[in-house]
Amino acid sequence: QVLLQESGPGLVKPSETLSLTCTVSGYSISRGYYWGWIRQPPGKGLEWIGSMYHSGSTYYNPSLKSRVTISVDTSKNQLSLKLRSVTAADTAVYYCARDIVLFGVRFDPWGQGILVTVSS
Amino acid sequence: QSALTQPPSASGSPGQSVTISCTGTSSDVGGENYVSWYQQLPGKVPKLMIYEVNKRPSGVPDRFSGSKSGNTASLTVSGLQGEDEADYYCSSYAGSNSVVFGGGTKLTVL
Repeated sequence: QVLLQESGPGLVKPSETLSLTCTVSGYSISRGYYWGWIRQPPGKGLEWIGSMYHSGSTYYNPSLKSRVTISVDTSKNQLSLKLRSVTAADTAVYYCARDIVLFGVRFDPWGQGILVTVSS
Repeated sequence: QSALTQPPSASGSPGQSVTISCTGTSSDVGGENYVSWYQQLPGKVPKLMIYEVNKRPSGVPDRFSGSKSGNTASLTVSGLQGEDEADYYCSSYAGSNSVVFGGGTKLTVL
């Protein structure tokens, strides 16, 4: 059974960098699949942030591309997200998910999510 | 890219069928057959219910079905049950190596 668990600070100051880690268990990232990040502002809908293959191929939401970096550490079986210059609009629950078919919008399973609040 | 358009709410009585629409453009929903639907129960994590327009992952009841016509995709829930009350989101490949979600529909079982 593939399980994903997000971790990181729950509070980030405006203009700083949001950094999250997703630990995958039950499957080795280096075996394949893409792995993605998706966020959901409180009370609002879902927004795709980006997806990455273990080899390094990365795709980002055009609206966030200038501020986002997704990377993979296969030795730790972890996926990471960095979002720079955050504002209150970046307050959201951040989910990591396995992206079964790149651009097939088949995200399964998802982590439990982590709420990140941007506030001074 | 713009979010896909979904009605904010939908409702039906137990046992009835309800259909939720998801409207996009020829660049996303109307393009490839990569449309998915996610169910998000209150306070829970989104769950994949339909992928590639009309395919169900293992374990999803066959009461849930998907279809597409032109730039509009639809999710139909037949034989509504109280446990189906949730938010439903559609998602599609948006072209140019990107993904877009709909705004979500709150399904109420009356």
